[in-house]
Amino acid sequence: KQEVTQIPAALSVPEGENLVLNCSFTDSAIYNLQWFRQDPGKGLTSLLLIQSSQREQTSGRLNASLDKSSGRSTLYIAASQPGDSATYLCAVSAGNQFYFGTGTSLTVIP
Amino acid sequence: GAVVSQHPSRVICKSGTSVKIECRSLDFQATTMFWYRQFPKKSLMLMATSNEGSKATYEQGVEKDKFLINHASLTLSTLTVTSAHPEDSSFYICSAWVQNTEAFFGQGTRLTVV
Repeated sequence: KQEVTQIPAALSVPEGENLVLNCSFTDSAIYNLQWFRQDPGKGLTSLLLIQSSQREQTSGRLNASLDKSSGRSTLYIAASQPGDSATYLCAVSAGNQFYFGTGTSLTVIP
Repeated sequence: GAVVSQHPSRVICKSGTSVKIECRSLDFQATTMFWYRQFPKKSLMLMATSNEGSKATYEQGVEKDKFLINHASLTLSTLTVTSAHPEDSSFYICSAWVQNTEAFFGQGTRLTVV
């Protein structure tokens, strides 16, 4: 069964810093990988979707990479802002299933 | 992006009553809908997978008679928590998905059973 792990579980950085969130998965047979953001008590907002044939996707200050062979993805956030504070979740899809990571709780300190 | 509407966003009910949560994909037809439960400061726990017109597939440990899922159309799935108890209080999130494409999530329902 696919297992998705995110490191670190929590991260606190000063405003303006660039940061990297990590996601690893055990089975490389995936269709795509998606990064989400979740604010407290809210649903999930999709940030980036990387198809299995792609290596990276960019949206504004966010850049996500995918290395299927090593079972890793990273989410890079440039010039972090207090508004980036949230929990970030990665998820991989395979077959008709969606597997979520454990999440990274990010706090950006003004 | 596509929109998934989940209703209600918050509900408080008395112990022993049933609560229905709706999940609608507003501008696309979803192959599959997922229902998740989330405990405080934890990741999402998949409860069940439902495909339109067929019975839902429940994850191990999830009582299908307690959490009734109906997927009547390609745009609507409902989760009914039957005979709710305080331990059922949680955050429930649905997701609509066209296979091998992007998944979209509802805003979640905060259920409190008193």
